[in-house]
Amino acid sequence: DIQMTQSPSSLSASVGDRVTITCRASQGISNSLAWYQQKPGKVPKVLVYATSRLQSGVPSRFSGSGSGADYTLTISSLQPEDFASYYCQQYYSTRRTFGQGTRLEIK
Amino acid sequence: QVQLQESGPGLVKSSETLSLTCTVSGASISGNTWNWIRQPPGQGLEWIGYMYNSGTIHYSPSLQSRVTISADTSKNQFYLKLTSVTAADTAVYYCAREGFYYDMSAYDGGWFDPWGQGTLVTVSS
Repeated sequence: DIQMTQSPSSLSASVGDRVTITCRASQGISNSLAWYQQKPGKVPKVLVYATSRLQSGVPSRFSGSGSGADYTLTISSLQPEDFASYYCQQYYSTRRTFGQGTRLEIK
Repeated sequence: QVQLQESGPGLVKSSETLSLTCTVSGASISGNTWNWIRQPPGQGLEWIGYMYNSGTIHYSPSLQSRVTISADTSKNQFYLKLTSVTAADTAVYYCAREGFYYDMSAYDGGWFDPWGQGTLVTVSS
């Protein structure tokens, strides 16, 4: 299995902050990476796929980058509605795996 | 618009079999890839497995010995069976289609979009 390690596991930030979440795969995954946002009690929602392609309707303050085994999700200016949990997911392998999640909290 | 709806018992006894149905509307289950994903309360997401075109199936290695995914194309439904459940199998279970796009006419896919609303299954002793 490809292991996905996210960091940090939790993060406190303020509205307007720039935030970066990282995801490291146990091997190269050739940009086959997606990011999800999940709010409490809600269904996960895809934000970014193919490392950097923004899902339709997702605000442009979200962006993804990376290559090889290392990937990042950046929120350029945090908004109140962005406080949630975030997960990365690789689909390079037919055995899909998620990162353990990052909980983004209000400072 | 593709929509998915999970259904099945919300309570299963320990050592028994968990059975769930995902009913798909707005797309045919043939020619697409359909996934099961779960999330224990307060924990992260775990991919269970997928079925492509009602034939090709891949499972998570950690669940492979206990899980079966199948489909009924006439009903446009796909199914999850998980045997010998324990309290560790208590989770919200989601079904989801594989997200995809065409990049210069080449298919690229493997993320999850859209998702069903999820169904909580509790394993009781």
